[in-house]
Parts: sequence; structure tokens; C-alpha cells
Amino acid sequence: ETGVTQTPRHLVMGMTNKKSLKCEQHLGHNAMYWYKQSAKKPLELMFVYNFKEQTENNSVPSRFSPECPNSSHLFLHLHTLQPEDSALYLCASSQDRGTLSNQPQHFGDGTRLSIL
Amino acid sequence: SQQGEEDPQALSIQEGENATMNCSYKTSINNLQWYRQNSGRGLVHLILIRSNEREKHSGRLRVTLDTSKKSSSLLITASRAADTASYFCATVKGAQKLVFGQGTRLTINP
Repeated sequence: ETGVTQTPRHLVMGMTNKKSLKCEQHLGHNAMYWYKQSAKKPLELMFVYNFKEQTENNSVPSRFSPECPNSSHLFLHLHTLQPEDSALYLCASSQDRGTLSNQPQHFGDGTRLSIL
Repeated sequence: SQQGEEDPQALSIQEGENATMNCSYKTSINNLQWYRQNSGRGLVHLILIRSNEREKHSGRLRVTLDTSKKSSSLLITASRAADTASYFCATVKGAQKLVFGQGTRLTINP
């Protein structure tokens, strides 16, 4: 148990569907992250939120829309995805963004997303 | 890019042997972190070593950092079957994001 819970664990959707991934952390952290992990590629940072404010969008297509209603919850809204978006989507949290350099990140177990 | 690159990409050893994985990077860093990922799970933080540190230990793990060579190594001593996983290094500069390498897939054979 890492303190970061992601749901659902698996998701299969068509390219025209709309779905959302959810992440919840129970660690009292203030920074949350979305990563994409594809086969044979390094982990890619997508979005960063610090104290509910988005501080980084790593050139992510607009078909991915993040939402952070509070420091404990993070969502990734998906719509009109492409087959190449099939991947493991990982959520992580850390104490806060400002002193990131000396903080580990705590990861959830991810959502395995398959686009048909 | 400051991306870390792990070497080897895959490593298979017998239980009880030591496993060594290496990480190289391209730019100056504030710290370097090692993570483990078991199949189907998220990443778990193992060790953080700061740029002014040369060696760090945690249980059976030993991490070294050579900033002159821009490289780090992770040594797992007395390996166990449960150590089978992928291991990633991640570099940090300033308050920047973590930049991960592609990982080393370690298999411990019983």
C-alpha cells in the first residue's frame, strides 16, 4: 500500500468514448503528477499540480484534460483518444513542488488503458 | 536532455548473487533517485542521493554517484527472488521534474 490509489486499474475504450481516470492520495502531499508509461519508452511526465494549481503541461494533446479539485484528488479526463494513447497511466504525489529536488515521489499502481 | 540511461537493459542472475545496474546522464543534477517497479505495479522509491554525496546505503542496496563521470550505480547484494523487477534511475535539476531512464529489467533465478 503506497498511499496513492488509482481507479480503475484497467480501462478499455473506443476512440469516441469519454472516460476519466481517478487518483487519490492519503499522504497529506501537496504536489500530484500524471505520467504515461509506454512499452519501450521512458516514463513521460504529463502534468504537475502543486497546491491545486497546474504548474506544468508537458506538451500533452488536448484530448487529455487534467483536473485537481483539491490536494488529495487528481483526475485525467479522456476524450477521442488514439490507439497510440494505449499505455499505463501512473499518478504520483510528493510533499510539494517547491522542494522537489529532495523529495521522493509516491506512485499509484496505474491504470492500464487500451484504446480500440 | 538530462535523461538517465540504465545499463544493462536486462540482467539475469542466480539468487544469492549480487546485481549491479548503472545509470548515466548528460547534464549537472541536484540529485539522482532510484526506483523499482514490479510487474503490473507502480514505481517504488528506493534511494535518493544528492550531488554532493558519493555513496549511500539502505539495507541490501548500495548506491554510488560519480558526478565527474555523470554516472551512478545501484548494487543489490545477496539477491532474492523478490528483487525481480525493473529498476529506474531518475535525475533532478533544481525544482525541475524527475527525468527517468528506460530501466533495467532484473530477473533473479531461484
